[in-house]
This record gives sequence, structure tokens and C-alpha cells, in this order.
Amino acid sequence: DAKTTQPNSMESNEEEPVHLPCNHSTISGTDYIHWYRQLPSQGPEYVIHGLTSNVNNRMASLAIAEDRKSSTLILHRATLRDAAVYYCILRDLNGQGGSEKLVFGKGTKLTVNP
Amino acid sequence: ETGVTQSPTHLIKTRGQQVTLRCSSQSGHNTVSWYQQALGQGPQFIFQYYREEENGRGNFPPRFSGLQFPNYSSELNVNALELDDSALYLCASSLEGNQPQHFGDGTRLSIL
Repeated sequence: DAKTTQPNSMESNEEEPVHLPCNHSTISGTDYIHWYRQLPSQGPEYVIHGLTSNVNNRMASLAIAEDRKSSTLILHRATLRDAAVYYCILRDLNGQGGSEKLVFGKGTKLTVNP
Repeated sequence: ETGVTQSPTHLIKTRGQQVTLRCSSQSGHNTVSWYQQALGQGPQFIFQYYREEENGRGNFPPRFSGLQFPNYSSELNVNALELDDSALYLCASSLEGNQPQHFGDGTRLSIL
């Protein structure tokens, strides 16, 4: 299983941008970079994913390094509701039927201060 | 659009007993994956069902088994419960391929 490395924890202030880093130096050419987050007492929630180009959606932006060995999840204005554990996950594009499993690490626990 | 629902939300069992956890998939999703999440850890993949067949399994013993029904809902069965089986059990549904998985809020299983 492809591995990712994330800081154990990060802290931010409300309404400030947050940059959550992820290293994936062994990424293969067919691996997508996915981000999920898990709020307290809830199941994980899909945030965003990308392959090579930077991606934006209503929740966040994903910046992918040119060599794809690292990526950064960007929350443009953190709110208290963004306090969660954020997981960076690699998923192989070429799954054989079904859905490629998610391999979770410990993620980054984000604390947002009011 | 109805999301993924799991039942029960909490359950207490004793060692050696058997348990069945249930998951109702999001409408239109044909794939269900089950994960176990111990306290302070990320979720660990147990197995997946795709079109009613097991389609991949993680490092879990055979006493963990499952089913997927024609409406794509699913069950996770665990026999001969052990203390270490105490965890949050998460179900996720999705379409095939690289589409996002949609999680329920899990069943908290406690073994006494």
C-alpha cells in the first residue's frame, strides 16, 4: 500500500488560511491523491482529490507538487467547524472492479482557535 | 438523496458472543466497504462487497464476515468476539472505480 506522511497535529486561528501538508514520495503514476476529514463523533468525509493539476471545490483547494511527491490541502478561511482529523490517502486509478480501498494513516489533527 | 446509515449506533457485547452490524448504502451505490477504527487510530479496511460478492479483504481473520444484498445494503458479522474487537465500525458506500466513498457515522461496539 502506498504510504503518506503527515504531521500529527496543526493549529490555526479562525478565519485564517490553513495549509495541511502531505508527503508521498513513493507515489506511482496511477495514484490519485485523496483527502478525507473526520469530525468528532462522525465518519470520515470526502474533501477533495486530484491526480496532477491543482483542484478547487467548495470545501478546499488541493495543490500538488510538480513531481507529485507532495501535496497541500488548503482551507482558505478556517472555521471552528473545520476542526477535525485530516487524512491524505493515495488511491490507485486502475482498480479491478469495485472501489479501491482507502488506506488511512493517523492523519493530522487540526485545532482551530476562536 | 439519502446518505449512508448504520445500525445500531452503539452496542455492548461480551467475549465469545456474535454480533451483526447493518449498513444501508447511499442510493445508487453498488459497492460497500467496511472499516474498523480503534481509538486514536485511522480506520482500517476490513473488506469490500461489490455487486453482492466479496471484492477484497484486509488483514482480518475469517470470523469477520459479511453480506451484501440485492438492494446493496450490507451486514458485517463478527463471531467469537474478543476484547480487541472493541472499536468503531464504519461502513462506506460508493460507485466503482476511483469515486469518493461516503461514510456512515459508524457503530460503536464495546466488548466486556
